[in-house]
Amino acid sequence: QSVLTQPPSVSGAPGQRVTISCTGSSSNIGAGYDVQWYQQLPGTAPKLLIYANINRPSGVPDRFSGSKSGTSASLAITGLQAEDGADYYCQSYDSRLSGILFGGGTKLTVL
Amino acid sequence: QVQLVQSGAEVKKPGASVKVSCEASGYTFTNYYMHWVRQAPGQGLEWMGWINPNSGGTKYAQKFQGRVTMTRDTSISTAYMEVGSLRSDDTAIYYCARQYNSGWYFDWGQGTLVTVSS
Repeated sequence: QSVLTQPPSVSGAPGQRVTISCTGSSSNIGAGYDVQWYQQLPGTAPKLLIYANINRPSGVPDRFSGSKSGTSASLAITGLQAEDGADYYCQSYDSRLSGILFGGGTKLTVL
Repeated sequence: QVQLVQSGAEVKKPGASVKVSCEASGYTFTNYYMHWVRQAPGQGLEWMGWINPNSGGTKYAQKFQGRVTMTRDTSISTAYMEVGSLRSDDTAIYYCARQYNSGWYFDWGQGTLVTVSS
């Protein structure tokens, strides 16, 4: 089955560092397809945060970083701020589905 | 800059159809694939398929084949997504999302809420 697995929730205090994992399989992340990360603030559309595993679009603070290894990827957020509280989704391409796959999403709570 | 402006909220009865539009501006419409993604209330993102605005070619997620139709009108730089035989579990926000040419990632429209209720 083609899925991207994320933890349902993570939390951290302001100023701390948190990571969100995204675990896939040999038909998506493990096959070499890039991983993207999106931030979705309440009531808004998703916003591209990281593309092609490690790249930040213009305007995204360097507190956000991405990494990928094997069949998994991670999003790290350093210097947590209150406005980082949001849902975060990973996304990749899946060869078995011949289509796009999203993780289930992770809710970040800033304590 | 790239803008994707979607049509307004819809309320439909079970069994009806709904057609959502996505008007693109700030770039050459025919040069970028357009995808559709939906999000049920309180749930995650679900990919529905894409359309090639240049050729009109489409690819649908298996779950939606036969019930979803994606079209476009290049004269007004607008993509459309129609869902037929609506059910209550089709209640969701539907997003159009423009794919970058360099990879499988997206800019997003603002979303259109479709509510299916008798």
